[in-house]
Amino acid sequence: GAGVSQSPSNKVTEKGKDVELRCDPISGHTALYWYRQSLGQGLEFLIYFQGNSAPDKSGLPSDRFSAERTGGSVSTLTIQRTQQEDSAVYLCASSWRLRDRGFGDYEQYFGPGTRLTVT
Amino acid sequence: GNSVTQMEGPVTLSEEAFLTINCTYTATGYPSLFWYVQYPGEGLQLLLKATKADDKGSNKGFEATYRKETTSFHLEKGSVQVSDSAVYFCAGNSGGGADGLTFGKGTHLIIQP
Repeated sequence: GAGVSQSPSNKVTEKGKDVELRCDPISGHTALYWYRQSLGQGLEFLIYFQGNSAPDKSGLPSDRFSAERTGGSVSTLTIQRTQQEDSAVYLCASSWRLRDRGFGDYEQYFGPGTRLTVT
Repeated sequence: GNSVTQMEGPVTLSEEAFLTINCTYTATGYPSLFWYVQYPGEGLQLLLKATKADDKGSNKGFEATYRKETTSFHLEKGSVQVSDSAVYFCAGNSGGGADGLTFGKGTHLIIQP
């Protein structure tokens, strides 16, 4: 079946512009996660959604970052007024939630990522 | 908060050598632990997992045992192949699958023929 897809695969933008990154999770997965992978910081968890709700936004790096999810499916991560330090690969993952399946299988399946370069 | 510490590379081995990549974690509660692998040009894939103390995860000849007493989840393989060359990430969550994973910095493994 189809995996997690992300678009665009690459994005080059000028400092100060806004960008939107999109994630399509695996059909039926109720949980969706955003991560950032950069040389300096490694893999950082940003935010997760259960359904359309994000219980904890404290992992977002600054108030220029926001995320939403609609219809329990597609999610967008928006970065306003981009800065050079925002350059990274943004990864999306999806999973079943524990209580969806009873026990244990909440493996996160990762998409290929969006490589963002801010010039 | 949670943290994961793993040995940083690059780690260079000859084919058929024994592999150990150390990983230790700190967490409140009882985390589930994972090893993810990123092959060149590909996305992150789950390699193996363990959800409670003394569990052993295994896949593709790799093994890791969740040791609560030493808070460790070391990755081992008895005989590595060139195709195992990749970046390996140790990760954990707080259990219940509700929140995001905390990753180690990653270990770049290079296997030479």
